[in-house]
Amino acid sequence: EIVLTQSPGTLSLSPGERATLSCRASQTVSSSYLAWYQQKPGQSPRLLIYGASSRATGIPDRFSGSGSGTDFTLTISKLEPEDFAVYYCQQYGSSPPFSFGPGTKVDIK
Amino acid sequence: QVTLRESGPALVKPTQTLTLTCTFSGFSLSTSGMCVSWIRQPPGKALEWLARIDWDDDKFYSTSLKTRLTISKDTSKNQVVLTMTNMDPVDTATYYCARVPITIFGGVFDYWGQGTLVTVSS
Repeated sequence: EIVLTQSPGTLSLSPGERATLSCRASQTVSSSYLAWYQQKPGQSPRLLIYGASSRATGIPDRFSGSGSGTDFTLTISKLEPEDFAVYYCQQYGSSPPFSFGPGTKVDIK
Repeated sequence: QVTLRESGPALVKPTQTLTLTCTFSGFSLSTSGMCVSWIRQPPGKALEWLARIDWDDDKFYSTSLKTRLTISKDTSKNQVVLTMTNMDPVDTATYYCARVPITIFGGVFDYWGQGTLVTVSS
């Protein structure tokens, strides 16, 4: 079973700054089956990135994903006020379980 | 337009069985490559994947919960049902269902329901 860890736990930044979030897997994630989700308080998660680097429909290009194997990164190039939220990575390889990371909270400095 | 909505009891007692229904529209579970998953989130905590059912009736479960979970579908009603036996206060969480279009994006959850909060308490 693949275990995902995310760092940092909390990232305190100002609007306009760059955010770099890390997701590390305990085993190789096959075919880069790694996704990122954004969740705001009281809302359901929203798919941002799939296949490690492909943006989902309607996601602004300030969000980008990279990485392969066991190390993946979500980058938000310039934080907008609406980007302050919790971000989860998830692996969805060929077989279950399809685990999530513990999340990184991006809050306003 | 794809929508999903979870329904079920807001409060269950310890040891009881929880039954949740996901009613969806805008897609069909009889379409090849279409799946629905259940995910839960305890208050203030992370997401936890629970189960998935596929268009061909394949079923997958969380390793740690598989003895307590059953997932089923009624394609004609556009519904997926999750049952969880022997509920405990640690199972208190918001339960979400989500669409999983395997052939489009792989196993990601592209549309989510609003979630339903289930509290386990005597």
